[in-house]
Amino acid sequence: DAGVIQSPRHEVTEMGQEVTLRCKPISGHDYLFWYRQTMMRGLELLIYFNNNVPIDDSGMPEDRFSAKMPNASFSTLKIQPSEPRDSAVYFCASSLARGQGVNTGELFFGEGSRLTVL
Amino acid sequence: AQSVTQLGSHVSVSEGALVLLRCNYSSSVPPYLFWYVQYPNQGLQLLLKYTSAATLVKGINGFEAEFKKSETSFHLTKPSAHMSDAAEYFCAVSKGAQKLVFGQGTRLTINP
Repeated sequence: DAGVIQSPRHEVTEMGQEVTLRCKPISGHDYLFWYRQTMMRGLELLIYFNNNVPIDDSGMPEDRFSAKMPNASFSTLKIQPSEPRDSAVYFCASSLARGQGVNTGELFFGEGSRLTVL
Repeated sequence: AQSVTQLGSHVSVSEGALVLLRCNYSSSVPPYLFWYVQYPNQGLQLLLKYTSAATLVKGINGFEAEFKKSETSFHLTKPSAHMSDAAEYFCAVSKGAQKLVFGQGTRLTINP
């Protein structure tokens, strides 16, 4: 089974431009997470969805950031306008709801999208 | 709120030596605890997880971790380091909510 797929893997853009990062979660997973990783702040949870509905967006840094999940197999994270301080690696992860059996809520990560804003 | 603290942002050991990466958690109830590994330019991969079954948890690549409630710790160990173990390691906790809270990470370097 394919893992979490993110695109693009690398994005270089200029300040003020719109950036859209894409994620396809593992089929059947009902949770989707967007994390940002920087040297200074480590791994920060930006937002997560359950069954396509945003549950907690308290980590979204400001209004320039938005995330959508129009269906169970696709999510986007958009930055508009982008700024140099947005440069980071953005990870998407998915998981199954914690419950009986082996589902303990562990996250499965994509390989990340490295964003550089000049 | 639950959190984890990883002691030491950088650990360096010789090949064949014991690896010990420290993680302490803060939680008012028994949490779920995880260790993830990140190799350069890759996403995070699950090494092992604690889910209130056995306190000694064995993971992939020879790693294991012991949950110690009295010390609120979940340290990661490996008896003999291999060059391929060089990576960044993250401890994470979740309680109740589905989301994971990650520590700051520990970069492990293996000296030949």
